[in-house]
Amino acid sequence: QQQVKQSPQSLIVQKGGISIINCAYENTAFDYFPWYQQFPGKGPALLIAIRPDVSEKKEGRFTISFNKSAKQFSLHIMDSQPGDSATYFCAASGASGSARQLTFGSGTQLTVLP
Amino acid sequence: ETGVTQTPRHLVMGMTNKKSLKCEQHLGHNAMYWYKQSAKKPLELMFVYSLEERVENNSVPSRFSPECPNSSHLFLHLHTLQPEDSALYLCASSHSGGTGELFFGEGSRLTVL
Repeated sequence: QQQVKQSPQSLIVQKGGISIINCAYENTAFDYFPWYQQFPGKGPALLIAIRPDVSEKKEGRFTISFNKSAKQFSLHIMDSQPGDSATYFCAASGASGSARQLTFGSGTQLTVLP
Repeated sequence: ETGVTQTPRHLVMGMTNKKSLKCEQHLGHNAMYWYKQSAKKPLELMFVYSLEERVENNSVPSRFSPECPNSSHLFLHLHTLQPEDSALYLCASSHSGGTGELFFGEGSRLTVL
């Protein structure tokens, strides 16, 4: 199964709060788990990524938590800001021939209230 | 020009028209992708080209026809489309065999009447 399931579909958080988005996958061959951020009218852009040999990766206010045994990973946005309001996609891929192919979740629309 | 550039940004076409979407990348990548983005659905991978050879075709209807003349350019030729094909079409590029980080263009918003 190539599916990546993402929740929630939408999320509203107060400024300064913590935003948490969850994803689950089924394919144990996946070995790369990125999160993409998309603003209206723009294409998705890589935010942060993790490989399954670590359980957590932090970059500034953004942290990925990874649970290999549960086949789940999540994005935590600390001290959420109105500028973080965007759609967030989790994704997963494994080595496949000459070009990696990402399987995306369905997206979470995050709104951070001022 | 930097990054990944897509033209046109918006396209309205009838079901009997023939049109093309163009993508150009200035990142020195050697893999290019077409994705379809519909509301509240996952990005759907349509085509992958690596080193100018098509390596993936995810059961996309033949009314979509890709072309990759070189590692910097990618086209999506459209003909006899259906209204359900209305969506945002995203082009992306990457280093083949790399980490898999994709660099996306801003997309071409297609409306089929």
